[in-house]
Amino acid sequence: DTAVSQTPKYLVTQMGNDKSIKCEQNLGHDTMYWYKQDSKKFLKIMFSYNNKELIINETVPNRFSPKSPDKAHLNLHINSLELGDSAVYFCASSQNRVEKLFFGSGTQLSVL
Amino acid sequence: DQQVKQNSPSLSVQEGRISILNCDYTNSMFDYFLWYKKYPAEGPTFLISISSIKDKNEDGRFTVFLNKSAKHLSLHIVPSQPGDSAVYFCAASVTNFGNEKLTFGTGTRLTIIP
Repeated sequence: DTAVSQTPKYLVTQMGNDKSIKCEQNLGHDTMYWYKQDSKKFLKIMFSYNNKELIINETVPNRFSPKSPDKAHLNLHINSLELGDSAVYFCASSQNRVEKLFFGSGTQLSVL
Repeated sequence: DQQVKQNSPSLSVQEGRISILNCDYTNSMFDYFLWYKKYPAEGPTFLISISSIKDKNEDGRFTVFLNKSAKHLSLHIVPSQPGDSAVYFCAASVTNFGNEKLTFGTGTRLTIIP
């Protein structure tokens, strides 16, 4: 059983399109995150949700909108995709302490 | 502003020897430090952590050392095994009552040579 699963694994799309990445965790965790790993390999937090409530929003452009329908799911919708959005996006979850982050396997987004 | 730095992008170590991965940080507010390990096409997995009230934490073959005055931490793996070949990320956080966020370094690719 995959603890944190995200789909799709690869996403290739044109500039200006809108796309979504889905994430689900079956660990019963209260907190979920989206991280972005850019071309320089920096892994940076974008958002965190705790029990469907937005906790952290790291000055991400408004084109990025997370949606948490329940505490087991955190989806990421991106409008008007730009070349600079090309990166690997990781979903993660944790229960109480940030060190117990469980990551998904990542979604490689390529904007052409 | 890169608050967590891993200045060695890669490291090669003979199997059975000690691997030492280094990490420096600039934010003196960091009070919790972690190491994550990442295999290709997988997400990072938690390896070991240390609180700023300690200077050493050990878990099997893995030991993390923290030098607060130098703002430096290191991960020692001994003995190194082929399965340890991966990218290792150093991360740090500031305790903020549930709003903690991890700041990651850029990673060090460790290759264990059989």
